[in-house]
Amino acid sequence: KAGVTQTPRYLIKTRGQQVTLSCSPISGHRSVSWYQQTPGQGLQFLFEYFSETQRNKGNFPGRFSGRQFSNSRSEMNVSTLELGDSALYLCASSLVGEVGGYTFGSGTRLTVV
Amino acid sequence: DQQVKQNSPSLSVQEGRISILNCDYTNSMFDYFLWYKKYPAEGPTFLISISSIKDKNEDGRFTVFLNKSAKHLSLHIVPSQPGDSAVYFCAARIQGAQKLVFGQGTRLTINP
Repeated sequence: KAGVTQTPRYLIKTRGQQVTLSCSPISGHRSVSWYQQTPGQGLQFLFEYFSETQRNKGNFPGRFSGRQFSNSRSEMNVSTLELGDSALYLCASSLVGEVGGYTFGSGTRLTVV
Repeated sequence: DQQVKQNSPSLSVQEGRISILNCDYTNSMFDYFLWYKKYPAEGPTFLISISSIKDKNEDGRFTVFLNKSAKHLSLHIVPSQPGDSAVYFCAARIQGAQKLVFGQGTRLTINP
């Protein structure tokens, strides 16, 4: 089966701009989560969507937002980019309640200059 | 606050020997613990998990041990193979939530 697809793979943006990242989950997976990976902080949870509703949210500022569509595809948006937003953004999909079923995409590497 | 900690940033092990990766946690509200393996430029890949009510789970060369009184878990890889060289993340799931808390990772290098 097709895995979790994230686009684009790489992105370079300027401070102050905004960016939208996309995630297509595994077919049948209705839960989509987003994580930020930085060298100093490891993987940090951003938010989780299920049935187009945000169910869980991490400790990130309001500049980070997301949404989920009826086909379970998800997007995350970062507005007013800062240098510190440079990171690998990972999306994971899962069946609800399934442990270990978190399948990650390869991520989008965002560089803010 | 760092609820899940991997105190060793790196570990080097000889091929064929046992690799032991460690993880400590502080939150008692975790219901599952998981280990992920990550290669550069790829997303983490699930390895093995353990419920908070168990103390051991085994899958092939991988065994995870959970010591609830010490709030400590470990991943044992026996025997270690060159393909095991990667960054290993310990993660914990918050009870009732689809949310994982990750440690900072340990880079495992298997030497031939």
